Amino acid sequence: KQEVTQIPAALSVPEGENLVLNCSFTDSAIYNLQWFRQDPGKGLTSLLLIQSSQREQTSGRLNASLDKSSGRSTLYIAASQPGDSATYLCAVSKYGGSQGNLIFGKGTKLSVKP
Amino acid sequence: GAGVSQSPRYKVAKRGQDVALRCDPISGHVSLFWYQQALGQGPEFLTYFQNEAQLDKSGLPSDRFFAERPEGSVSTLKIQRTQQEDSAVYLCASTTGGVRTEAFFGQGTRLTVV
Repeated sequence: KQEVTQIPAALSVPEGENLVLNCSFTDSAIYNLQWFRQDPGKGLTSLLLIQSSQREQTSGRLNASLDKSSGRSTLYIAASQPGDSATYLCAVSKYGGSQGNLIFGKGTKLSVKP
Repeated sequence: GAGVSQSPRYKVAKRGQDVALRCDPISGHVSLFWYQQALGQGPEFLTYFQNEAQLDKSGLPSDRFFAERPEGSVSTLKIQRTQQEDSAVYLCASTTGGVRTEAFFGQGTRLTVV
């Protein structure tokens, strides 16, 4: 059974700091991995999608890497801002799932202090 | 539409009441997913549609949960005889189809059963 773990569960940093969020998964047979952001009381906003054949994806201050063989992904946020405060979720789309249904971690709650 | 739209945003139901939650996916998106997110947890898969066909309902927690997508566009998740443990955020996602595509989520419906 595929399990996704995110560490740390919560993180508080001062504004301007670079930070790394970690995601690990137990079964390396995945189609892709997706990082999402969730603001309180809101839905999920897609940040980055990494296909299983890719090593990383970048969007602005965000960079996500994927090491499928070791079952790990990291989300790097450069020069953090208070507006980055949210819960970050990673999810994998695994083989055998219904055409792409996602298995999620519990998320990392990020707080960036001004 | 421009994004995935869900209604209502909030629903309070008395225990035993039936509820219906609506999802309007991105126009042209073939695949539609329902997820349930308990407080402090990641979303968990409920069911999957490809066009109007419900291809996977393995995540539905009981036979009180029923979903439909009769014309391959709008979907409704119905919960009969609601119970307190049904309290959660219900999220809908759509994709263009296939296992490697990006999932786009709605804002969710927060259901509280009292």
